[in-house]
Amino acid sequence: EPEVTQTPSHQVTQMGQEVILRCVPISNHLYFYWYRQILGQKVEFLVSFYNNEISEKSEIFDDQFSVERPDGSNFTLKIRSTKLEDSAMYFCASRGDSKSYGYTFGSGTRLTVV
Amino acid sequence: DQQVKQNSPSLSVQEGRISILNCDYTNSMFDYFLWYKKYPAEGPTFLISISSIKDKNEDGRFTVFLNKSAKHLSLHIVPSQPGDSAVYFCAASFGGSQGNLIFGKGTKLSVKP
Repeated sequence: EPEVTQTPSHQVTQMGQEVILRCVPISNHLYFYWYRQILGQKVEFLVSFYNNEISEKSEIFDDQFSVERPDGSNFTLKIRSTKLEDSAMYFCASRGDSKSYGYTFGSGTRLTVV
Repeated sequence: DQQVKQNSPSLSVQEGRISILNCDYTNSMFDYFLWYKKYPAEGPTFLISISSIKDKNEDGRFTVFLNKSAKHLSLHIVPSQPGDSAVYFCAASFGGSQGNLIFGKGTKLSVKP
């Protein structure tokens, strides 16, 4: 079964450093997403990406965040200057056509900011 | 602002019995509802969904019921199996927003042998 692959599985970084979280969505999917889950809290929407541009973003997704699909296969989330409160599990997801709501999520990257 | 609420953080059920997971929502504009299952150290896995124009959808042991007037949905698992032990998330979507999901906080289901 096709999978969404995320790397690394765990990233530790110092406050103020830049991090890039990487995702390889399912190859024929068209919509791409980043969600995050702070420990003990709910899964929260960050950003959606379609047709090589951001289609929607949440209040969490401020100027410190950016996404890119540089080569048609990878989908990255960059945090320019990490804060302690950015520590969370970050999930990438993708889905096919607009009538399909069966997202496929990756296993997540645990980001720890120290 | 909790648009999707799962008021029970945990549920314990005996193997073979029915598990009923509940979810309430506040926004009547949601047009699609989904249930996801999540094991530790894994991403959420899609289980079953229901459109707002239906009141029931069934897939094997899983049935989702939607009561629009009460803004309530539930997931029934019959019979429950130990492998069903996981955190279950209810999520809702607006069709016009290309399906961004709004999740509840989750309910941890434990199925005891």
